Amino acid sequence: QKEVEQNSGPLSVPEGAIASLNCTYSDRGSQSFFWYRQYSGKSPELIMSIYSNGDKEDGRFTAQLNKASQYVSLLIRDSQPSDSATYLCAVDRPNTGFQKLVFGTGTRLLVSP
Amino acid sequence: SAVISQKPSRDICQRGTSLTIQCQVDSQVTMMFWYRQQPGQSLTLIATANQGSEATYESGFVIDKFPISRPNLTFSTLTVSNMSPEDSSIYLCSDSDTQYFGPGTRLTVL
Repeated sequence: QKEVEQNSGPLSVPEGAIASLNCTYSDRGSQSFFWYRQYSGKSPELIMSIYSNGDKEDGRFTAQLNKASQYVSLLIRDSQPSDSATYLCAVDRPNTGFQKLVFGTGTRLLVSP
Repeated sequence: SAVISQKPSRDICQRGTSLTIQCQVDSQVTMMFWYRQQPGQSLTLIATANQGSEATYESGFVIDKFPISRPNLTFSTLTVSNMSPEDSSIYLCSDSDTQYFGPGTRLTVL
């Protein structure tokens, strides 16, 4: 079982729709969860972090965490073509002290005009 | 929030040579991380750069191949030694305090 699993996609949504990106992780001891956006040829950009069960909203983005189900998701409301990118889920490795992260393989999102 | 810069942004190197990549953070950070992103793949942690002590390497990565320096709390270097085409990747640094990434170094080995 992979430490962090994501559907590779592509996930295609029309402009203005809600995009839902999902991620599961294997280590129950993980405490920190991150979503990065990566445009082709660019480095990953941190868009959300979440540490507690429930929802965390930042503008059009909402991160959702369910530690019991070992599941973290990212919702993008009012999706725009500029949101088309690969979204990487990252989870900390427990007991590593300084938040070493394990990354999923990413979900490619395509938002059509 | 930390601003991270890397040099060079890209390079094309010959097999058997070495390249040193620099990472500069605009504020003091606890730990700096070096990652590799191979073509079409996700990010893999190479090592953690510790100030004042040797770097800590992840499974599959060794100091002879990827020597790292961390002379102070804002700067680190990663050397890719004795390069082969399999080392062609994007190399990224990040910091433990913000989890932001630098812009990356795109390395092509011929």
